[in-house]
Amino acid sequence: GAVVSQHPSWVICKSGTSVKIECRSLDFQATTMFWYRQFPKQSLMLMATSNEGSKATYEQGVEKDKFLINHASLTLSTLTVTSAHPEDSSFYICSASGPTDLNTEAFFGQGTRLTVV
Amino acid sequence: DQQVKQNSPSLSVQEGRISILNCDYTNSMFDYFLWYKKYPAEGPTFLISISSIKDKNEDGRFTVFLNKSAKHLSLHIVPSQPGDSAVYFCAASSGGGNKLTFGTGTQLKVEL
Repeated sequence: GAVVSQHPSWVICKSGTSVKIECRSLDFQATTMFWYRQFPKQSLMLMATSNEGSKATYEQGVEKDKFLINHASLTLSTLTVTSAHPEDSSFYICSASGPTDLNTEAFFGQGTRLTVV
Repeated sequence: DQQVKQNSPSLSVQEGRISILNCDYTNSMFDYFLWYKKYPAEGPTFLISISSIKDKNEDGRFTVFLNKSAKHLSLHIVPSQPGDSAVYFCAASSGGGNKLTFGTGTQLKVEL
């Protein structure tokens, strides 16, 4: 399957600071990337969908000014958690799909464990 | 509103036996279903999928069954192996896209 790399795998930051998480498709061009969030022992919740070169589409209840998503190239999308608070501590996962992918599995990154102290 | 539900948070099975994981959905627009396996602090790994035009798909030890009228799908793993121990998520999408709605997950433990 295709490889999606997410970096960093874990990060600890202080309240009020911003954290950037990168998601890269290593061997295919990802026209669409998805960002999910998972709280302990809960499901993966879709936060936003990003398409290369356009603004991200956020799910209801997700603050777009807090979770900044940039998908500037076909191989890279970034999620920036701005002014982080302890309640933002979670496991963030990205997935990617290519331009001709219909009804195929989404390829996921390894996830990023964010802890805000 | 949980559109995809996995009502069993955990399941314990003996090695060699069959594991059956269940998933129910409410959105009739879903037309593609997937099962993922996930270890702690890792991203999900794809296992198997099924289109709504089928009622069964098999890949090695994994078989997924879909009952559209009941809005229910299940994943069968046989024989179960200790390495299968993980959290299993079912997911659904509609319209050919890869935007997935995940279930709440079932923790499978395969015991020796």
